Amino acid sequence: NAGVTQTPKFRILKIGQSMTLQCAQDMNHNYMYWYRQDPGMGLKLIYYSVGAGITDKGEVPNGYNVSRSTTEDFPLRLELAAPSQTSVYFCASSLRTSAAFFGQGTRLTVV
Amino acid sequence: DQQVKQNSPSLSVQEGRISILNCDYTNSMFDYFLWYKKYPAEGPTFLISISSIKDKNEDGRFTVFLNKSAKHLSLHIVPSQPGDSAVYFCAASGGAGGGADGLTFGKGTHLIIQP
Repeated sequence: NAGVTQTPKFRILKIGQSMTLQCAQDMNHNYMYWYRQDPGMGLKLIYYSVGAGITDKGEVPNGYNVSRSTTEDFPLRLELAAPSQTSVYFCASSLRTSAAFFGQGTRLTVV
Repeated sequence: DQQVKQNSPSLSVQEGRISILNCDYTNSMFDYFLWYKKYPAEGPTFLISISSIKDKNEDGRFTVFLNKSAKHLSLHIVPSQPGDSAVYFCAASGGAGGGADGLTFGKGTHLIIQP
């Protein structure tokens, strides 16, 4: 089982560039999440989705956008990359009553 | 303002002894608590959870205790093994499981098991 798959694993962006972080899950989970983790900090929720077509902001949504057109995929879009978005990004999925399963993460550096 | 606090950034324990990791929370709306384990360059892995209606949950070497009145929970690992060396995150939600609106994480405790 693949679980939660994130691509790419690493990326370097220049300030002002845009990119999409991909996330796919094959567990038929309704709930999906995007978190970021800065050095020495816990994970912070960026956006989440309770099902296809439904998304909502988390604690730190500024500078990001998401879409959820299918149950399996939950891409995260950075439109104008800034150094403050240098972080490790984790995608996760869950059922309503299960613990969240996390992907391996995407390490993003904005220079 | 941190709603989930792990006040020990690191903890060193001898192999075979008990490891106790602590976590405090401030939001009384949290009713489901989870512990995740994280190795470098990997995503967090779910370890054990507890609902607010319980005060203890056990799974093999791992036991989580919850003291609601003190807003405190702890993770006990007995006996500690070298493979337990990792960063442990405490997380909380306002609903069962992953929480429809996501989890609130502490900053983590780096557990080091000494041979």
